Amino acid sequence: AQSVSQHNHHVILSEAASLELGCNYSYGGTVNLFWYVQYPGQHLQLLLKYFSGDPLVKGIKGFEAEFIKSKFSFNLRKPSVQWSDTAEYFCVIIVTNAGKSTFGDGTTLTVKP
Amino acid sequence: EAGVAQSPRYKIIEKRQSVAFWCNPISGHATLYWYQQILGQGPKLLIQFQNNGVVDDSQLPKDRFSAERLKGVDSTLKIQPAKLEDSAVYLCASSLSSGRDRTQYFGPGTRLLVL
Repeated sequence: AQSVSQHNHHVILSEAASLELGCNYSYGGTVNLFWYVQYPGQHLQLLLKYFSGDPLVKGIKGFEAEFIKSKFSFNLRKPSVQWSDTAEYFCVIIVTNAGKSTFGDGTTLTVKP
Repeated sequence: EAGVAQSPRYKIIEKRQSVAFWCNPISGHATLYWYQQILGQGPKLLIQFQNNGVVDDSQLPKDRFSAERLKGVDSTLKIQPAKLEDSAVYLCASSLSSGRDRTQYFGPGTRLLVL
């Protein structure tokens, strides 16, 4: 069975600080990898995704993530966070052949102005 | 392109009552997912359909939860009878079922409060 682990439950940063949120998964086959964001009171939105090609993917709002297959990791990064990045971030994997989806428990990011 | 639609947006019921949620996926998306998101946790997959067939319902509490997708398009999720611990947001998502891109698109969710 697949699983997703997000290392940080709650991260607090000041504006302009750099961000890295960890995500590791366990599954031996081919997966799609995603980061979703949920702003307060809003529904889940796709930040970025990886399913093939360049392992460094860029998403919306200046976010990027790097897929490192040997480490089963897909960490999310942003060089300079803003107050408006305050939200909950979820790492998700989908097993490509069956479409089975697993979410991590999420990381709450609070950016102090 | 219209997104995933869900209704109702909010529901308050008493324990032991029944409730049903509706989801209409993005047109052409054969795969439909129902998730339960309890406050402070990540969404937990309850059931996954491909067209009108069930792909995975291993985490669905089948003694009280049921779901159907009779015509392979919209879907309903039912809880009967509800318990206090069912208070959560119920999310519906859809995706394509072929090719390598399995991006899920989420609806706004139904927030359920069981008293």
